[in-house]
Amino acid sequence: EAGVTQFPSHSVIEKGQTVTLRCDPISGHDNLYWYRRVMGKEIKFLLHFVKESKQDESGMPNNRFLAERTGGTYSTLKVQPAELEDSGVYFCASSSFTEAFFGQGTRLTVV
Amino acid sequence: GENVEQHPSTLSVQEGDSAVIKCTYSDSASNYFPWYKQELGKRPQLIIDIRSNVGEKKDQRIAVTLNKTAKHFSLHITETQPEDSAVYFCAASIRDDKIIFGKGTRLHILP
Repeated sequence: EAGVTQFPSHSVIEKGQTVTLRCDPISGHDNLYWYRRVMGKEIKFLLHFVKESKQDESGMPNNRFLAERTGGTYSTLKVQPAELEDSGVYFCASSSFTEAFFGQGTRLTVV
Repeated sequence: GENVEQHPSTLSVQEGDSAVIKCTYSDSASNYFPWYKQELGKRPQLIIDIRSNVGEKKDQRIAVTLNKTAKHFSLHITETQPEDSAVYFCAASIRDDKIIFGKGTRLHILP
């Protein structure tokens, strides 16, 4: 069984540009979660999808961040425009009714 | 790359007893070790974390220990209660880069 995959694994962009991160959950998993770890700080929850619906987006930092999950399959997280403080590791997890499986994350560097 | 092994995969303890979950990591450069708890039907949540410059950290009934020489870290839950029943994940992160998760431990608290 394929695990949760994320790409790109690493992205370097300039301040003001747009970046789109992608998460492919395990097939059949309705729940998809996005987290991020900003440099040197703890991991923070961003949002939770149940299928294509946003169940909880209380962790989204501001309106520069847009998450979508069209069709309830893969999800994208767009940052537009990116700021320096957005640098960090963004990772996702998916689950069905039981435990979650985590992706290895995308390292975003904004310069 | 980094690899995180977590044991046991399932653990049952009597209410009031202690539970210990152990993880090992392969990359000695790992410097951040969070633990997540996922209750049934809910998203994984950070419960405690430790950095490589600290050997032990405690928060009420939960404690985490880190042995950098042996490259292993453990989660200790004392005086277990029914609400401690969940899946617990350990993770290791290298210098704010990718975060690698263990496969989880399903903890059952027996009445």
